[in-house]
Amino acid sequence: AQSVTQLGSHVSVSEGALVLLRCNYSSSVPPYLFWYVQYPNQGLQLLLKYTSAATLVKGINGFEAEFKKSETSFHLTKPSAHMSDAAEYFCAVSGDGNTGKLIFGQGTTLQVKP
Amino acid sequence: DAGVIQSPRHEVTEMGQEVTLRCKPISGHNSLFWYRQTMMRGLELLIYFNNNVPIDDSGMPEDRFSAKMPNASFSTLKIQPSEPRDSAVYFCASSLGGKRTEAFFGQGTRLTVV
Repeated sequence: AQSVTQLGSHVSVSEGALVLLRCNYSSSVPPYLFWYVQYPNQGLQLLLKYTSAATLVKGINGFEAEFKKSETSFHLTKPSAHMSDAAEYFCAVSGDGNTGKLIFGQGTTLQVKP
Repeated sequence: DAGVIQSPRHEVTEMGQEVTLRCKPISGHNSLFWYRQTMMRGLELLIYFNNNVPIDDSGMPEDRFSAKMPNASFSTLKIQPSEPRDSAVYFCASSLGGKRTEAFFGQGTRLTVV
């Protein structure tokens, strides 16, 4: 069965610093991976997705993620954090079959300090 | 398209009462998902539909929970009777279906059972 593990429930960075949010996956088949962001009192919004094309995926708001099969990882990065990036971030993997259901990690709360 | 629309945004009810949450998916989407979000459990998939048919309800916590999708543009999640431990944010999401496609989330319904 597919699963994802997000390392670190809370990450704090200074404004302008590198953002690195970690995600490792487990999948018995080639995975399709997603990163979502959730702002307070909002639904989840797609940041980017990996669907077996390029291993380096660029998303919205300057975020990108690199799929590394050898490390079973799909870490999310942004070169320079903005205050507006403070939110909760979820990594997800497509579940079994072809239904499109997503299995989510526990989430990482990103705090950006001025 | 207005996106996935959920109602109500907030619901406060007394223990034992029936609660009905509503969802209108994005037009043209074939798959619909109900998720529950809590601090303790994170995002849990409760049930999903494909072409209005329930495919997997293994995530539904108890018989008190039921979901229907009478047509392609409407779904309900009902809790009867409600209990305080049902307090959570409930999200509806829809997608075109398939492993590569992302899910689009509604704003959620925050349910408080007192």
